[in-house]
Amino acid sequence: DADVTQTPRNRITKTGKRIMLECSQTKGHDRMYWYRQDPGLGLRLIYYSFDVKDINKGEISDGYSVSRQAQAKFSLSLESAIPNQTALYFCATSDPGTGESEQYFGPGTRLTVT
Amino acid sequence: QQPVQSPQAVILREGEDAVINCSSSKALYSVHWYRQKHGEAPVFLMILLKGGEQKGHEKISASFNEKKQQSSLYLTASQLSYSGTYFCGTGGTSYGKLTFGQGTILTVHP
Repeated sequence: DADVTQTPRNRITKTGKRIMLECSQTKGHDRMYWYRQDPGLGLRLIYYSFDVKDINKGEISDGYSVSRQAQAKFSLSLESAIPNQTALYFCATSDPGTGESEQYFGPGTRLTVT
Repeated sequence: QQPVQSPQAVILREGEDAVINCSSSKALYSVHWYRQKHGEAPVFLMILLKGGEQKGHEKISASFNEKKQQSSLYLTASQLSYSGTYFCGTGGTSYGKLTFGQGTILTVHP
């Protein structure tokens, strides 16, 4: 089974709808992240969490909110979806260890807002 | 501010070498490199840390110039499997938080 899973994998929704993207991990990592990927712009950080009680805004948090329900679960919500939130969304985890460590990415959720 | 990667795209024949550069306007404490194949998630290649420590892929080499705030990824004797988009992620004083570049598309032809 995959260590980092995301649901749904694909979603089409209408402008103004509320939508939640979910991320679960079995790696036992404390750190979790949400990124969005747009062509030519790379990966941009939306929110990150270093433990259940620690949630921080990233570069592009406007229009998004998150919930860290448990060490293993980190959800991203779009309260009122708009077309320019159409993108590929990745969840990632990392283990703090001794400081810097690699990030493990989920398979991604492709979101289309019409 | 995102680090800048160059070139934006490169096309190689199998066996040729390539260098991908990553440049930041901010002081760096770490540089990560990831490769993403089409339709897949990014996969870790290497971390370079201030002070010279490196962790990562045995067959990949990279450099980190702290003074110039730059890193380069060296791909030698390229294989078809090297094709994909390469991203650098730069870390500042906050451990674990990365800012990614826009990506470099590498295509290797037979």
